[in-house]
Amino acid sequence: AQTVTQSQPEMSVQEAETVTLSCTYDTSENNYYLFWYKQPPSRQMILVIRQEAYKQQNATENRFSVNFQKAAKSFSLKISDSQLGDTAMYFCASPGSQGNLIFGKGTKLSVKP
Amino acid sequence: DSGVTQTPKHLITATGQRVTLRCSPRSGDLSVYWYQQSLDQGLQFLIQYYNGEERAKGNILERFSAQQFPDLHSELNLSSLELGDSALYFCASSASLDRASDTQYFGPGTRLTVL
Repeated sequence: AQTVTQSQPEMSVQEAETVTLSCTYDTSENNYYLFWYKQPPSRQMILVIRQEAYKQQNATENRFSVNFQKAAKSFSLKISDSQLGDTAMYFCASPGSQGNLIFGKGTKLSVKP
Repeated sequence: DSGVTQTPKHLITATGQRVTLRCSPRSGDLSVYWYQQSLDQGLQFLIQYYNGEERAKGNILERFSAQQFPDLHSELNLSSLELGDSALYFCASSASLDRASDTQYFGPGTRLTVL
């Protein structure tokens, strides 16, 4: 079965510090994208960053970057210069065989002032 | 703002009732996905439509059905509601049918409470 595992249910970080959220996945697809979504208290699912698996270069979006290790099927999210507004649940997602996304159980990130 | 809209935002109803959730995808997107987010099950894929046709089914109960209309908006119908159906229901859209290499953008969700 295709799975996505986020091993850190909760994390906290001080404002302006850096934090890394872990994710491992298992997919049978060859060319695929991987995603990190953020779900703040408003419950909206917001796309944070995506990684194209055929690209060796790690994706970067402003303060957000990924460390993508294809052979290890690892896809971690690094948040630099953490801000209070980064407080949210973060979900890692990979493609399922039916075109859907398979989500991990999420990591609850708290940014402390 | 993802460009995906969902109505209503909140829905409170009683067991045994039927409700309809509506979704309008981003302009130009042909694929619509429905997901259910509950506390104990996380985010679960329900069903996908592409250009009016059902393309994939996930963990969707027989009491639930969906359709996509010619203007590409989609509706998720939930009937014979049970307490356990209380959840946040998301619609997501993507441009193509490409299963693994496309980005899904999520709407704000409909929070369903069954009393």
